[in-house]
Amino acid sequence: GESVGLHLPTLSVQEGDNSIINCAYSNSASDYFIWYKQESGKGPQFIIDIRSNMDKRQGQRVTVLLNKTVKHLSLQIAATQPGDSAVYFCAENSSGDSGAGSYQLTFGKGTKLSVIP
Amino acid sequence: DADVTQTPRNRITKTGKRIMLECSQTKGHDRMYWYRQDPGLGLRLIYYSFDVKDINKGEISDGYSVSRQAQAKFSLSLESAIPNQTALYFCATGKYAGGFDTQYFGPGTRLTVL
Repeated sequence: GESVGLHLPTLSVQEGDNSIINCAYSNSASDYFIWYKQESGKGPQFIIDIRSNMDKRQGQRVTVLLNKTVKHLSLQIAATQPGDSAVYFCAENSSGDSGAGSYQLTFGKGTKLSVIP
Repeated sequence: DADVTQTPRNRITKTGKRIMLECSQTKGHDRMYWYRQDPGLGLRLIYYSFDVKDINKGEISDGYSVSRQAQAKFSLSLESAIPNQTALYFCATGKYAGGFDTQYFGPGTRLTVL
């Protein structure tokens, strides 16, 4: 079946540096993507989303880039802080043609980001 | 997310016991979901509900049942718990807009079945 995966399972960055977390997806019908952050002992927290009619979207210190040609998604975190240490998931879904809209997210397994003080 | 609450947060039980996990939300979303999370497997969908009268099985529904008591409440039951149901369980709500469903998660319940 279709899958969403991550290039790197772990990532260590120096505090203050920028972080880039990558995600590859294989479902060409995917048209909506979400990044979640999960801190230890907590539930996944919505960070930012992007629709397939966009190739870039910015939030507060975060930017998501979407390259549909190579089915690649990335999350960039500017000036990484210790509080950014967590596991980051990408998730994708497709609106499909049922008319009911998208409901089922397919999650990647996650990348653990460690920030070195 | 404080708008989605789960009880209990931790539970240890024995094989064969019936367990209920509860979820409440104040987001006003019609859609609600139950997932389990296991190391190395990511999040997997157990059941989902688009409204009070609509309940559907997800990818791994065997051994589980659900009840949507109200728009704001969605409970998950394990009728006869077994050790391989030891996992983290997350409830989520779904905001449906423009053909896309953005999901927001609760803090999770850590369930251990001995």
